[in-house]
Amino acid sequence: GQQLNQSPQSMFIQEGEDVSMNCTSSSIFNTWLWYKQDPGEGPVLLIALYKAGELTSNGRLTAQFGITRKDSFLNISASIPSDVGIYFCAGQTPNTGNQFYFGTGTSLTVIP
Amino acid sequence: ETGVTQTPRHLVMGMTNKKSLKCEQHLGHNAMYWYKQSAKKPLELMFVYNFKEQTENNSVPSRFSPECPNSSHLFLHLHTLQPEDSALYLCASAEARSYEQYFGPGTRLTVT
Repeated sequence: GQQLNQSPQSMFIQEGEDVSMNCTSSSIFNTWLWYKQDPGEGPVLLIALYKAGELTSNGRLTAQFGITRKDSFLNISASIPSDVGIYFCAGQTPNTGNQFYFGTGTSLTVIP
Repeated sequence: ETGVTQTPRHLVMGMTNKKSLKCEQHLGHNAMYWYKQSAKKPLELMFVYNFKEQTENNSVPSRFSPECPNSSHLFLHLHTLQPEDSALYLCASAEARSYEQYFGPGTRLTVT
């Protein structure tokens, strides 16, 4: 199946720092989504992107749909302790209907 | 209740047991999904239902049997599972023509 490569795998940062993570694929994607998962819970949708080059913000979070359509980026500004969790990218390729492919996740730890 | 709920939240079962996982969505969506989340692996899509009809079955072993009696409820019937089936099972829902999936909290399954 389709593979989405997320990097970095884990990050340890100081509170107040900015965070950047990305997701790349070998195929073109039509849609990119970013999710956050807290321990013991299901993923929560953060941002959805539908067009190449699109830049969308949700509070301190900003995500971009890469112009090649093979990557996406998520930035978190001025991190706070509650940003701790695992961030997943997910994407949908042409002709796969409702099937989504998920990345392996980026684990974020924020040190107060 | 709001969003997507799943019961039970935790389940321990022997390999000869039969059990069922339940998912209910209160979002008025028409598509529902089962995913398996194992440690250090991407979310694996298992089944997709659109308007109560199964549209995806990602080569899931027959010991997992889904049921979708209506667009609000989704079940996963389990029988003669293996220890490697231990994982977090996540349910999600979405509007029929949307890619934005909303997840439940998951059922943590342990097969002994």
